[in-house]
Amino acid sequence: QSALSQPASVSGSLGQSITISCNGASSDGGGYKYVSWYQQHPDKAPKLIIYDVSNRPSGVSTRFSGSMSGNTASLTISGLRAEDEADYYCGSYLSSTRVFGGGTKLTVL
Amino acid sequence: EEQLAESGGGLVQPGGSLRLSCAASGFSFSDYEMNWVRRTPGKGLEWVSYINRRSTTLTYAATVKGRFSISRDNAKNELYLQMKSLRADDTAIYYCARERGKGYNMDVWGQGTTVTVSS
Repeated sequence: QSALSQPASVSGSLGQSITISCNGASSDGGGYKYVSWYQQHPDKAPKLIIYDVSNRPSGVSTRFSGSMSGNTASLTISGLRAEDEADYYCGSYLSSTRVFGGGTKLTVL
Repeated sequence: EEQLAESGGGLVQPGGSLRLSCAASGFSFSDYEMNWVRRTPGKGLEWVSYINRRSTTLTYAATVKGRFSISRDNAKNELYLQMKSLRADDTAIYYCARERGKGYNMDVWGQGTTVTVSS
């Protein structure tokens, strides 16, 4: 049982938007929030797609966006494409350890 | 290009040992903190271990503490994971990952090496 809770699966149709939640993410005493999101296709390495809650690394599509409210982080993917079908994991820092959510399998219909 | 490449995986019997390596290239390895992360069948990603730039801070997941040991050689641009007393539930793909920034973000990953613990 992961300390970060994600839905096991979500689905959406081509062109639609979906949101994946991640409950239990943390912040430090100064309010800095530790949330990252990773995309993993079958037999591929994980790829960082969102860091520090809402920032996109260079080269990541603007269709990916992140946000946070309280201890719940969210990843939104807009304009769904077939290649977005993958597993998505949130990551954070809790109790002096790095942790990942249990992962969400995105199915594009 | 910034790259990480793991090696050393394989089939090992329960109770056995294995040493994984991760070779870094395309960036200044000694400037970054590093992690090992594994993906177990049907369970998703699990953080395994962390090492800071000078090897003065080492941390481990509770599931591997006391059995696994992380280390690095900055002169060789290599990261290591020594695994002992291996169990069936250690079977996984093991990835090394570079950490960047204040937010514990892992921005560069290797392709992984497979460890199978079975008799």
